[in-house]
Amino acid sequence: QSALTLPASVSGSPGQSITISCTGTSSDVGGYNYVSWYQQHPGKAPKLMIYDVSHRPLGVSNRFSGSKSGNTASLTISGLQAEDEAHYYCSSYSASSTLEFGGGTKLTVL
Amino acid sequence: EVQLEQSGAEVKKPGESLKISCKGSGYIFTSYWIGWVRQMPGKGLEWMGIIYPADSDTRYSPSFQGQVTISADKSISTAFLQWNSLKASDTAMYYCARKRLISARIDYWGQGTLVTVS
Repeated sequence: QSALTLPASVSGSPGQSITISCTGTSSDVGGYNYVSWYQQHPGKAPKLMIYDVSHRPLGVSNRFSGSKSGNTASLTISGLQAEDEAHYYCSSYSASSTLEFGGGTKLTVL
Repeated sequence: EVQLEQSGAEVKKPGESLKISCKGSGYIFTSYWIGWVRQMPGKGLEWMGIIYPADSDTRYSPSFQGQVTISADKSISTAFLQWNSLKASDTAMYYCARKRLISARIDYWGQGTLVTVS
């Protein structure tokens, strides 16, 4: 069982916005501003989309944004596109394990 | 260009040993930690542990402590993940990943090594 909790699936139509929430504890998400989000397409390695809660790596679309409140981090994707359909994972630094992943959310673009 | 190049797919029998590798290039290998991530078929990402190649300081996720061994050889810029006695449940894709210790930011991933135990 993953330490961080996400919904199993979310969906949205092209052009819409969706938000994926990731709930942890004060020992991980709530305790540090070290939350990242990864996108994984089938058969591919994960790709970093957001780091340190709300920062985007170079080359990642500004349609992706991140935030955090208390023990819950969120990833928002605006202007949904077909290519956004993938699995999304949150992760947080944790002193006990150095990193925790959430179970993953499957995003379907309708 | 930063790259993490992993060794090829493996097919092993239960009880056999295995060591897979991850070779870093395009950056100073001893300046970053290298971690390992398991992804079982159709499942999510699981953090296994991490090593600092400069001094081989290693931290294991509690779920994987005692189940695998993480090591590194800084002279050849390579990290390793090792099993002494494989089980069918070790069948998975294994990724290596570059990270700083106190961070959740994995900026580079290996291409993955598929391990099949059957």
